[in-house]
Amino acid sequence: DGGITQSPKYLFRKEGQNVTLSCEQNLNHDAMYWYRQDPGQGLRLIYYSQIVNDFQKGDIAEGYSVSREKKESFPLTVTSAQKNPTAFYLCASSIGPGTSGRNEQFFGPGTRLTVL
Amino acid sequence: ILNVEQSPQSLHVQEGDSTNFTCSFPSSNFYALHWYRWETAKSPEALFVMTLNGDEKKKGRISATLNTKEGYSYLYIKGSQPEDSATYLCALRTSGTYKYIFGTGTRLKVLA
Repeated sequence: DGGITQSPKYLFRKEGQNVTLSCEQNLNHDAMYWYRQDPGQGLRLIYYSQIVNDFQKGDIAEGYSVSREKKESFPLTVTSAQKNPTAFYLCASSIGPGTSGRNEQFFGPGTRLTVL
Repeated sequence: ILNVEQSPQSLHVQEGDSTNFTCSFPSSNFYALHWYRWETAKSPEALFVMTLNGDEKKKGRISATLNTKEGYSYLYIKGSQPEDSATYLCALRTSGTYKYIFGTGTRLKVLA
């Protein structure tokens, strides 16, 4: 089955620790995105990547880092510099640029991170 | 940061009622607007991708319209069913960027 997987579903970490959230897709999509959701807020873009070995900061990139070494994978590291890391994190992918505007995103199931 | 607004924030309707909600966005530099349905415990799924002023899209009982000049899109659900209960999100992409700005969503509850 084609799709996006995120692991784990729930993650607990102690304050001050870095943690990496996994996102893998087998849809052969070029573009991948990381969003954060907090109660009462919409999805906010953390980082996005349009092609392997390239990525850009979204609207709330501070305290996060990413890599895009493979087309299928776009891991997100939540560093100790992120002041309020407890949130629900969603990964998404889309076909990529050059598709005449039809870039619907496909989402993973999400990871709920709780920092204690 | 651009602001995409959705209204109402939530609503409850009876089974069989028709309903609609609004997504408002800045009209300048419009490129595309997406609608997603997000059911509890599932991932958001795309409903519509709209790119042209005057676009009307339909999928079963759900339809959407787009007015890029005045900066709004309407989502309509005809004859709501309990399985339509979900949060409906809209997302704006402006020209010159690959980013999407999401609204906060409209949470729909259809009562049997």
